[in-house]
Amino acid sequence: QLQLQESGPGLVKPSETLSLTCSVSGGSISTSSYFWGWIRQPPGKGLEWIGSIYYSGKTYYNPSLKTRVTISVDTSKNHFSLKLSSVTAADTAVFYCARADVDTAMVRFDAWGQGTLVTVSS
Amino acid sequence: QSALTQPASVSGSPGQSISISCTGTSSDVGAYNYVSWYQQHPGKAPKLMIYDVSYRPSGVSNRFSGSKSGNTASLSISGLQAEDEADYYCSSYTTITTVVFGGGTRLTVL
Repeated sequence: QLQLQESGPGLVKPSETLSLTCSVSGGSISTSSYFWGWIRQPPGKGLEWIGSIYYSGKTYYNPSLKTRVTISVDTSKNHFSLKLSSVTAADTAVFYCARADVDTAMVRFDAWGQGTLVTVSS
Repeated sequence: QSALTQPASVSGSPGQSISISCTGTSSDVGAYNYVSWYQQHPGKAPKLMIYDVSYRPSGVSNRFSGSKSGNTASLSISGLQAEDEADYYCSSYTTITTVVFGGGTRLTVL
């Protein structure tokens, strides 16, 4: 069964870069059938799509975050990563990684990680 | 891109039916039949309940159904149960090759 697991620092200082990795087990990330995405949720608030990546490296980003976001994939390690630069307290959130089916235009997130809380504070 | 519009809260008694709306624009909900719905219990990851407007993943109760008319999609739940109490989010593909979520709806089972 496919499992996704987020990992990375739980505390990041303002103006620094947030870095997270999503490790995929029980299936290959090198498949043409899926996109791999990042979604965040500030405490007590709703979901926000950050961006998605295809195994080939093709990326799609939320326009409101595009200048600060980089998503990459490492097929040899079966994981994909998120970097969010110049963070502020407003970036404090639970970050989820998830898988989306290609046939449904990357909207069908059918497998999710458990989420990891990242707090931006000095 | 702006978040899709959902009511902040809805409620219903056990056994009743409710509906949650998700209003977008002709650039997202109205443009494609790529609308998904997610259920999220406190402290848990979201769970896919509906995709492609009206399709249920394997294992999701047939009490959950989805529909769309113009720029508005809807999630309906029949025979409300206590376990349905959760937050619900819609999402849509957009014409600029992005994904947008709704603001979320808190469902309370009275």
